[in-house]
Amino acid sequence: QKEVEQNSGPLSVPEGAIASLNCTYSDRGSQSFFWYRQYSGKSPELIMFIYSNGDKEDGRFTAQLNKASQYVSLLIRDSQPSDSATYLCAVLFSGYSTLTFGKGTMLLVSP
Amino acid sequence: DTAVSQTPKYLVTQMGNDKSIKCEQNLGHDTMYWYKQDSKKFLKIMFSYNNKELIINETVPNRFSPKSPDKAHLNLHINSLELGDSAVYFCASSPDLHNTDTQYFGPGTRLTVL
Repeated sequence: QKEVEQNSGPLSVPEGAIASLNCTYSDRGSQSFFWYRQYSGKSPELIMFIYSNGDKEDGRFTAQLNKASQYVSLLIRDSQPSDSATYLCAVLFSGYSTLTFGKGTMLLVSP
Repeated sequence: DTAVSQTPKYLVTQMGNDKSIKCEQNLGHDTMYWYKQDSKKFLKIMFSYNNKELIINETVPNRFSPKSPDKAHLNLHINSLELGDSAVYFCASSPDLHNTDTQYFGPGTRLTVL
C-alpha cells in the first residue's frame, strides 16, 4: 500500500522563523522524495528533491531524509509571507513510475 | 512560452454531459500525466503516457478516456459527468518515465459539475 502522510495544518509561523514541515511514507525501499509548493489556485511547483539520507540545502530550504524512520522533512529558514502556501510531499515508491502525493500541509507566515 | 498548457481553464457543465480537456507540452518530453485534485487538495495520479502509449491507469472509471495523438499532447475525455468529477485536473510532463524529479505541471482545469 502506497501511503504518504502529512499533517494538513495550517502551520502558522511568524515572519523570520523556521518552518518545519514533515512527511512519512509507507515503503522503506523508496528512493526518491520531492517537495512541491502550491499557491492557492495555482499548480504545484517543485522546490526540492532528495535521494540520500541526510540534509540537502538550497537557499532558505533544507530537505532532510531519514530512510530508516521513513521520514522526510522540509525546513524553511527566515520564513516570509510569500512562503504561505500548501507544501506537498511526494514519493516515488520502488517499482512504480509515478509519484504518490501526500495531502499537503498549509503553511501560513504572518508578518 | 508556456511549457505545459491546458484548455479550458474553467469548465462548468451539467451532470450527464460529455466534456474534453486538452493538454500540450512544448518541452520535448516523452511522458505525460493526468492528475485529479479534489476539494481537499489531495492530488492523485490518474494516467501516465509514455511516447503516446498508456503506462498507468490508476483505477479510474472507464468514463475517463485519455488520448495521446502525439507525444506532445494528452487529452482527457470524460463521458456521463457526475457530481463527484468536480475537481481541478492537472496535466504534467517529465522527460521520460525515469526522470520524475523534473515533472512540470500545467495550470489546471477547474471542472464543476452541476
